[in-house]
Amino acid sequence: EVQLLESGGGLVQPGGSLRLSCAASGFTFSSYDMGWVRQTPGKGLEWVSAISFNGVSPYYADSVRGRFTISRDTSKNTLYLQMNSLRDEDTAVYYCAKLSTSSPYYYYYMDVWGKGTTVTVSS
Amino acid sequence: AIQLTQSPSSLSASVGDRVTITCRASQGINSALAWYQQNPGKSPKLLIYDASSLASGVPSRFSGSGSGTDFTLTISSLQPEDFATYYCQQFYTYALTFGGGTKVEIK
Repeated sequence: EVQLLESGGGLVQPGGSLRLSCAASGFTFSSYDMGWVRQTPGKGLEWVSAISFNGVSPYYADSVRGRFTISRDTSKNTLYLQMNSLRDEDTAVYYCAKLSTSSPYYYYYMDVWGKGTTVTVSS
Repeated sequence: AIQLTQSPSSLSASVGDRVTITCRASQGINSALAWYQQNPGKSPKLLIYDASSLASGVPSRFSGSGSGTDFTLTISSLQPEDFATYYCQQFYTYALTFGGGTKVEIK
């Protein structure tokens, strides 16, 4: 069964740091781009970051660029999100997602999602 | 960044109704659009990709259409398990964005 399991969320003070992890199983992790999406309480979805299958190309939303770093460890089948200089507005549920494409267009979509981990930034 | 505007933001419908949700992109995105369903307290679930392709395991009462800037998600006959929030997402560029969501409620 294809699964993504996030961990590492918690309560952190403004300006603090946190590292999220996403353990992947049931598919060839090294073959797929991966991403993070967050959802603030009672609100919609916001894409945060993504990384290419080989880890060479990271992508970030403007709201987190320079503060967050995405990475992956193929030997551990794990995706990470290092979050620094956290702000109140970073409070959200963070989802890990697997990106796929299909012929003929090869546009990306998120076909597998984890259950999410909650990050609360508060003093 | 490309903006996606969903309408309506919420709707009330009955079991068996035909429901249509629209998503408009601020610029052309070809067919780089996906639709997701989210139930309360759950993670999003992929319904449609490439604007009109049905994801694996998704009932055939769901369908998507459109290209360019205007897209539609249709539920042909609403079932009790379909009462949820629906989001469109564009992946034309890597500054990918989601629509604001449409909450489908029971009338």
